[in-house]
Amino acid sequence: RKEVEQDPGPFNVPEGATVAFNCTYSNSASQSFFWYRQDCRKEPKLLMSVYSSGNEDGRFTAQLNRASQYISLLIRDSKLSDSATYLCVVNMGSNAGKSTFGDGTTLTVKP
Amino acid sequence: GAGVSQSPSNKVTEKGKDVELRCDPISGHTALYWYRQSLGQGLEFLIYFQGNSAPDKSGLPSDRFSAERTGGSVSTLTIQRTQQEDSAVYLCASSLVGGGQQPQHFGDGTRLSIL
Repeated sequence: RKEVEQDPGPFNVPEGATVAFNCTYSNSASQSFFWYRQDCRKEPKLLMSVYSSGNEDGRFTAQLNRASQYISLLIRDSKLSDSATYLCVVNMGSNAGKSTFGDGTTLTVKP
Repeated sequence: GAGVSQSPSNKVTEKGKDVELRCDPISGHTALYWYRQSLGQGLEFLIYFQGNSAPDKSGLPSDRFSAERTGGSVSTLTIQRTQQEDSAVYLCASSLVGGGQQPQHFGDGTRLSIL
């Protein structure tokens, strides 16, 4: 079993739709979490951190469920420009430098 | 610029040659990471530096791969006797501190092609 798992998709949604991705992690001691987006043939870019209480940034909402060991990303009112691969990242914390990236979920927003 | 800088952007070389990839992290960032990504695949962790030390080099695929970091800044990833399966995009990232509490910022990557 992978340490971090994501549904690879692809998710194909119309403009304006709401779409949600989940990311499950296996290590209950994981301490910090992030969502990145990666455009085709580009480097990953930080989208948002994920806080314990959940957090929102415009149309994007991130949530953490420690009991079930998953994080989620909700995108409201999808735009064509949201088309990308979304990567979740899980870190163990201060004694471990390695971040574990999920393989990503591909989103295509269509007109 | 203020971001992570990698060079070269592209490298094409013959099988069996050695290559050296360079990463300039964001100024002041103490942690530096190397990853590689094959086409259509996820990120594969290679090595992590905290300052000039590499507390986690568990991802280096073979002894042909090595990396160093000097002055707590620039890092080089060296691949000796390259093989075709080494072809990938090599990505470098840095973060303010290690430990994963701070997000990583990526460079544009080096696209390595082994003929």
